[in-house]
Amino acid sequence: DTGVSQNPRHKITKRGQNVTFRCDPISEHNRLYWYRQTLGQGPEFLTYFQNEAQLEKSRLLSDRFSAERPKGSFSTLEIQRTEQGDSAMYLCASSPLRRGGHEQYFGPGTRLTVT
Amino acid sequence: AQKITQTQPGMFVQEKEAVTLDCTYDTSDQSYGLFWYKQPSSGEMIFLIYQGSYDEQNATEGRYSLNFQKARKSANLVISASQLGDSAMYFCAMRGRIQGAQKLVFGQGTRLTINP
Repeated sequence: DTGVSQNPRHKITKRGQNVTFRCDPISEHNRLYWYRQTLGQGPEFLTYFQNEAQLEKSRLLSDRFSAERPKGSFSTLEIQRTEQGDSAMYLCASSPLRRGGHEQYFGPGTRLTVT
Repeated sequence: AQKITQTQPGMFVQEKEAVTLDCTYDTSDQSYGLFWYKQPSSGEMIFLIYQGSYDEQNATEGRYSLNFQKARKSANLVISASQLGDSAMYFCAMRGRIQGAQKLVFGQGTRLTINP
């Protein structure tokens, strides 16, 4: 059973550019989550999908951020017109849709640096 | 709103000693879940242990146990017989069961260093 994978692992971009990250959840995990973690802080929730439906979004997810999960498999997170404040680790997690499936399994993250 | 507080920015412990990492929480939900995750320098968040608010017994997973005191709203992680590989950031988190039931709310973390 392979874990959650994220690509790329690192991304350096110039301010104003668009970036897109990909997350592949554990197979057959219906639920997928995106979090953002800045240096010295715990992760902060961004958004949540159940299958292909985006069911919850944080107010942290400004209109420059968009997430998709076509066909309920992998997910992408796009940031348009990046700003230096977007520099962070972007973490993806997945969990099964079943009774007792409490824990979320995290991927290795994508570290974004905006110069 | 849910809130997690971890008051220990850093802990230093001798190898083989037991260590307790503190976590207090605040929520208006009657039903909720509490989690501990480990984050090594590689960055990946590793799930350690889970405690449901209605679970009568404290959760245990190998060397990890969760000291759950509901009246005090605390959920401390106890690591027995610490090992060098336990050096990492540790995050306490909670999830409500009603509104926002799927998001985890994390504390600021505690950096644990195990000395040989």
